[in-house]
Amino acid sequence: AQSVTQLGSHVSVSEGALVLLRCNYSSSVPPYLFWYVQYPNQGLQLLLKYTSAATLVKGINGFEAEFKKSETSFHLTKPSAHMSDAAEYFCAVRPTGANSKLTFGKGITLSVRP
Amino acid sequence: DGGITQSPKYLFRKEGQNVTLSCEQNLNHDAMYWYRQDPGQGLRLIYYSQIVNDFQKGDIAEGYSVSREKKESFPLTVTSAQKNPTAFYLCASSGDRNQPQHFGDGTRLSIL
Repeated sequence: AQSVTQLGSHVSVSEGALVLLRCNYSSSVPPYLFWYVQYPNQGLQLLLKYTSAATLVKGINGFEAEFKKSETSFHLTKPSAHMSDAAEYFCAVRPTGANSKLTFGKGITLSVRP
Repeated sequence: DGGITQSPKYLFRKEGQNVTLSCEQNLNHDAMYWYRQDPGQGLRLIYYSQIVNDFQKGDIAEGYSVSREKKESFPLTVTSAQKNPTAFYLCASSGDRNQPQHFGDGTRLSIL
């Protein structure tokens, strides 16, 4: 069975600093990978996805993630944090076969200090 | 605009009562999903449906029921058998298997 690990539950950065949110997956075959963002009392919004094309994926709001098969990782980064980036971020994995079920990590809350 | 509509946004349940959460999509997606979100636990899959008139249990289906009579609609009933129903419930849909899931804005269920 596949799983997703997001280390830590909370990350705090200063405005303008680098954002790095870690995600590691376990799967026998490289899966599809996703990052979602959730603002308070709202649903999840897709930030970016990896579907076996380019390993460096660019998403919305200046975020990007790099798929590293050797490290089974899909870390999310943004060069310069903005106050509006404060939210909860979820990494998710889905197998490339017929099963369309997503498995989510537990999420990381990002705080941005002025 | 196409999207997923969940209603109501807030719902209160009395002990022993069944309640139904609505989920409607106009994205023409075949697959629909229900998740439960609790603080610090991420999203857990309750039920999913890949086609009309068919659905499968997810990881935490006990105490819940669903129906899929129309492509656009996938209502979730929280039954009295669900002893800890207080949570944020999210509905999602997806089209082609390679496409990501789209989410509604959720329903927050509380116990009176």
